[in-house]
Amino acid sequence: EAGVVQSPRYKIIEKKQPVAFWCNPISGHNTLYWYRQNLGQGPELLIRYENEEAVDDSQLPKDRFSAERLKGVDSTLKIQPAELGDSAVYLCASSLDRGDDTQYFGPGTRLTVL
Amino acid sequence: DAKTTQPPSMDCAEGRAANLPCNHSTISGNEYVYWYRQIHSQGPQYIIHGLKNNETNEMASLIITEDRKSSTLILPHATLRDTAVYYCIVEAASKLTFGTGTRLQVTL
Repeated sequence: EAGVVQSPRYKIIEKKQPVAFWCNPISGHNTLYWYRQNLGQGPELLIRYENEEAVDDSQLPKDRFSAERLKGVDSTLKIQPAELGDSAVYLCASSLDRGDDTQYFGPGTRLTVL
Repeated sequence: DAKTTQPPSMDCAEGRAANLPCNHSTISGNEYVYWYRQIHSQGPQYIIHGLKNNETNEMASLIITEDRKSSTLILPHATLRDTAVYYCIVEAASKLTFGTGTRLQVTL
């Protein structure tokens, strides 16, 4: 069974540029999560989707971050414009639910903003 | 959300058991204890989780105290590939709140 797929794995951009990250969850998983991980810290939740609905986006900086999961499968996280402080690893995770909340993570996208 | 306390780092000799402690004194009755690990430059990897009873799988064992205020993750025969940051998390409402974890270094 394929795991969570993320692309790109690495991205280097200049500040004020836009950037987008893509995630394909494990097949059949209804819930999808985006996390941000700063250097030396644990991941922090940005947004959680149940199917197409964003059920928890309280930690998403809405002035510059946006996310979508239009068909309840793939998801895209966008930053526009990027700031130096956005340099981090962006992780996607998915879970089956239906009584099993175990989250499975992708490899992440390492973003460097210059 | 219940918080967890873990030692920042631990060492373990290869082939020996690694016992990683975690305190979660404010855990509620319906909250699960989850353990993940993160090997350098990879995403977190699920290890095991439990509610009240001790749990064992192919990767590790989880021992939860009777009052549920602490737990221990046991890797029975640590190898160099087990070197990673180990996170103990109390899951609440499908939400994982990661701390800074324990950096386990397995040595020859």
